[in-house]
Amino acid sequence: AQSVTQLDSQVPVFEEAPVELRCNYSSSVSVYLFWYVQYPNQGLQLLLKYLSGSTLVKSINGFEAEFNKSQTSFHLRKPSVHISDTAEYFCAVSETGTYKYIFGTGTRLKVLA
Amino acid sequence: EADIYQTPRYLVIGTGKKITLECSQTMGHDKMYWYQQDPGMELHLIHYSYGVNSTEKGDLSSESTVSRIRTEHFPLTLESARPSHTSQYLCASSGDRGGSPLHFGNGTRLTVT
Repeated sequence: AQSVTQLDSQVPVFEEAPVELRCNYSSSVSVYLFWYVQYPNQGLQLLLKYLSGSTLVKSINGFEAEFNKSQTSFHLRKPSVHISDTAEYFCAVSETGTYKYIFGTGTRLKVLA
Repeated sequence: EADIYQTPRYLVIGTGKKITLECSQTMGHDKMYWYQQDPGMELHLIHYSYGVNSTEKGDLSSESTVSRIRTEHFPLTLESARPSHTSQYLCASSGDRGGSPLHFGNGTRLTVT
């Protein structure tokens, strides 16, 4: 069965430092992968997605994630974080041919001044 | 602008009351979903719909019910609210193509006293 693991529940990091938020999944078939961001008192917003093709995908605000099939991972990275990146980040997977999405438990990123 | 709307944003209600959480989308999506979100937990799918007059229960057992009489509208009803129903409820929709991301509303935070 599908599952998504985000091992880090909280990640504190200083402003302008790099950050990596880890995501591992399990599935026996091909998957689509997503990262969502949730700011306080808001719903989730799509940050980036991997459907096929290039394994490195990028968002417009400097985040990137790399699909690694052999390690079943889709880690999210940013080379230099801003205070405004403080939020909760959710990794999600959807198996091809289905319309169900499985979410991880989220990682709370706190950027410190 | 295409979007997905949830009302109310916050609701505090007494035990035993009947409540309906509203969700509407203007994107013409056939697929709609209700998720329950608790702190530190993954999002749990409680209901989904693939189109008008189609509703299915999700992976998390819920005492709520849903209806889908119109494409754009997917309300969730609790006949008799209990404190265990206290949670955040997120509505989402997605397009028909494989790998279409979920679009979320801002959520309804429900507190049952």
